[in-house]
Amino acid sequence: GAVVSQHPSWVICKSGTSVKIECRSLDFQATTMFWYRQFPKQSLMLMATSNEGSKATYEQGVEKDKFLINHASLTLSTLTVTSAHPEDSSFYICSATGSSGITDTQYFGPGTRLTVL
Amino acid sequence: AQRVTQPEKLLSVFKGAPVELKCNYSYSGSPELFWYVQYSRQRLQLLLRHISRESIKGFTADLNKGETSFHLKKPFAQEEDSAMYYCALAGGGNKLTFGTGTQLKVEL
Repeated sequence: GAVVSQHPSWVICKSGTSVKIECRSLDFQATTMFWYRQFPKQSLMLMATSNEGSKATYEQGVEKDKFLINHASLTLSTLTVTSAHPEDSSFYICSATGSSGITDTQYFGPGTRLTVL
Repeated sequence: AQRVTQPEKLLSVFKGAPVELKCNYSYSGSPELFWYVQYSRQRLQLLLRHISRESIKGFTADLNKGETSFHLKKPFAQEEDSAMYYCALAGGGNKLTFGTGTQLKVEL
């Protein structure tokens, strides 16, 4: 139980284009989803927190117009990297929790490797 | 601000030897701490959390508020323990702050 999927697993795009990454909770309803970014050999950095039906909360330094997050249903959140540039190339990981409790376990997706040419 | 420090990037031990992965934290409130593990080519998964006070796969971790530490220990390392281990702290809103991770390599 508690499986989170991401699609696509990897994507290559040209500079200036937009890329959408999907995060789905397959067997539970995710009231909260988190988006992380991980550079090679570095730790996960939280980008934003999204709650179903409301606007995402972005961490300091993350451009909300650059990284659009939509959490339209209890099983799906999307991250759109708009006008992608090579510096946006990274590993993007989502996680989901099943309730609004403070100490709930986050279940992680497998990640999406984005390469911007 | 909350911070998690894992001082070792790589820890190499022999099979059967004890393992201790260090984690120190900085947080003004009452912390909740976790250890996550990532095996090769697999996703990040929860190993244990301090409030559970349980042993998973032989690993234990005790929260030491005086030393602000949450070190992960196992008395006898197994080859299958080789993985990347991340210590994480949950602050407000269930947000996780991760350490930089320690790669554990168990050699035969």
